[in-house]
Amino acid sequence: SQTIHQWPATLVQPVGSPLSLECTVEGTSNPNLYWYRQAAGRGLQLLFYSVGIGQISSEVPQNLSASRPQDRQFILSSKKLLLSDSGFYLCAWGVGTISYEQYFGPGTRLTVT
Amino acid sequence: AQSVAQPEDQVNVAEGNPLTVKCTYSVSGNPYLFWYVQYPNRGLQFLLKYITGDNLVKGSYGFEAEFNKSQTSFHLKKPSALVSDSALYFCAVRDENSGNTPLVFGKGTRLSVIA
Repeated sequence: SQTIHQWPATLVQPVGSPLSLECTVEGTSNPNLYWYRQAAGRGLQLLFYSVGIGQISSEVPQNLSASRPQDRQFILSSKKLLLSDSGFYLCAWGVGTISYEQYFGPGTRLTVT
Repeated sequence: AQSVAQPEDQVNVAEGNPLTVKCTYSVSGNPYLFWYVQYPNRGLQFLLKYITGDNLVKGSYGFEAEFNKSQTSFHLKKPSALVSDSALYFCAVRDENSGNTPLVFGKGTRLSVIA
């Protein structure tokens, strides 16, 4: 069966510090991968998605970036965090033209102080 | 363009009563529709989907949803609510012709089931 992992689970970082969040998927090949941010327990904001290694689509041009160095690995980064980057970051995977739905990881709670 | 609306920010229901969480959508082609549930500090869990076929779709935890093409709706229902159903619910849509693009999510509806 497929599983998705995110780490760390929680993170407290000062303003201006770098960020690296990692997401890995097991049990499937060539998944579509997604990064979302959720503020204050409400709606989801799509940040990036990837349909293959090295292919990244950006939905929100901010101080965040994403990379997909391996088929089942998706990394969210920032060189300098802002207070507004605080939130709940969710990674998801899907096999878009087969089963259509997306499956979400457990999330990372980021607090920028 | 694809969009989905969840007109209620909050739904309150007494335990044992039926519950409905509303969702309407807009796509240019045929819709693929989804419901997810999120418990505090957790990722979203997939509940059910409509792709084609029977308009009434049954999913996890006793939830079901009815696809209504004429009303462009996909309301989530459960005959008898449990306190443990209290959570945040998201509706999502994808146009059948949208390929690998991500699902489009609604803003979420918070369901509170009162004992």
